[in-house]
Amino acid sequence: AQRVTQPEKLLSVFKGAPVELKCNYSYSGSPELFWYVQYSRQRLQLLLRHISRESIKGFTADLNKGETSFHLKKPFAQEEDSAMYYCALKAFGNEKLTFGTGTRLTIIP
Amino acid sequence: GAGVSQSPSNKVTEKGKDVELRCDPISGHTALYWYRQRLGQGLEFLIYFQGNSAPDKSGLPSDRFSAERTGESVSTLTIQRTQQEDSAVYLCASSLHRGQELAFGPGTRLLVL
Repeated sequence: AQRVTQPEKLLSVFKGAPVELKCNYSYSGSPELFWYVQYSRQRLQLLLRHISRESIKGFTADLNKGETSFHLKKPFAQEEDSAMYYCALKAFGNEKLTFGTGTRLTIIP
Repeated sequence: GAGVSQSPSNKVTEKGKDVELRCDPISGHTALYWYRQRLGQGLEFLIYFQGNSAPDKSGLPSDRFSAERTGESVSTLTIQRTQQEDSAVYLCASSLHRGQELAFGPGTRLLVL
């Protein structure tokens, strides 16, 4: 069975400082990894997926199969980045997403 | 166009009662998912529908839970004989096809007293 771990429930970062939200997973096959975000009073939405290898709102995430990690990073935090962030995994051939427990990111002005 | 909608937005019920939650996916989305989020926890997969294929019910926690979907339209999640541990936010999501980005609804917050 697959599992996603987000070790930090809460993370506070000063505006302009670098941000890293940690995500580790356990899965024996080739996973597909995602980051979802929920801003205050908004719906959960996709931020980025590892297969796209894109940067969204300045965020990037690299899949490290050796360390089984998919940490989310941004070099300079902005106040509008304050939100709840969820890491999620999809196993090969399976449509269900397995989510971590989430990290609440607060950007301090 | 309109996104995924869910009703009711909030539901308070007494232990032992049945509840029915509704999800209206985005028109044309063939895939539909139900997730549950208990307080302080991640999202738990419940069930997945894809077109007319048999649903993946592997996440349903007990036989008190059931879900239906007619074609590629509305879905209902029914919880019979509710228990206090059923209290959670129930989220519905849909996607155009399997493997595509999920569009989530606003959720139904269920409280079982």
